[in-house]
Amino acid sequence: DTAVSQTPKYLVTQMGNDKSIKCEQNLGHDTMYWYKQDSKKFLKIMFSYNNKELIINETVPNRFSPKSPDKAHLNLHINSLELGDSAVYFCASSQAQTRNEQFFGPGTRLTVL
Amino acid sequence: AQSVAQPEDQVNVAEGNPLTVKCTYSVSGNPYLFWYVQYPNRGLQFLLKYITGDNLVKGSYGFEAEFNKSQTSFHLKKPSALVSDSALYFCAVNYGGSYIPTFGRGTSLIVHP
Repeated sequence: DTAVSQTPKYLVTQMGNDKSIKCEQNLGHDTMYWYKQDSKKFLKIMFSYNNKELIINETVPNRFSPKSPDKAHLNLHINSLELGDSAVYFCASSQAQTRNEQFFGPGTRLTVL
Repeated sequence: AQSVAQPEDQVNVAEGNPLTVKCTYSVSGNPYLFWYVQYPNRGLQFLLKYITGDNLVKGSYGFEAEFNKSQTSFHLKKPSALVSDSALYFCAVNYGGSYIPTFGRGTSLIVHP
C-alpha cells in the first residue's frame, strides 16, 4: 500500500501549456511538500503546506501554485510551462514537527518541449 | 538560518570496505539532522535521524551516523559496503524554528565489486 503516491509518473507537454501533478498520502500526516530535482540532482523545496500555513520558497515563480483539497492531497499546478521547468518533481509528507522525517513519493518527470 | 554542506560530489569505495559520506551543518539552535538515500529513478527514502541523546545513531540497511556538535558534523557511515549501497545520499538539517528542512547537494556513492 503506497504511502505517498503521485500521478502521472511521466508528463510530456509543450511550452505554454498548463498542467497539474497530483499527490496523495495515506499516512495521516498533516504537512505536505513539493520539491524540484534538476538534472544535476539538486533538490529544491518549492512549498510546505499544512492546514494552517503555506510556506512558499520565494524563488519559485508564481506560475507554480499548490492546491490542497484536503489534508491527504496536495496538487501542483503549473501555468505557462517553460523549458526550464523540465525536472523531476517530488511530493513528500511528514507530521508537522520539525524533528520528523519526510516520506517521499516516487516522483513525476516533467519534460517541456 | 540553516545550511548544510556535503563536500564530496562522489565517494568511491570497494565492496567490503568501510564507507563514510560527509555532512556538515550550520543552524541557529539545536539541530535536527537527517540522512536520506535515493536509488535511480526513485524518491528519497529516510535512513536515520539525530534529534537528541546518543551521538551515534543507527538506521536502516546497517547505516549509522555520528553527531559531532563541536565539529558541526553528521557523517554517514557503514562498516562494510555493499554494491547495492550505490546510490545518491542526501543530508538534511532542520531546527525548532522552521518547518522546512535544508538539503545538501547530495553525494553519489559508488561501491565497486
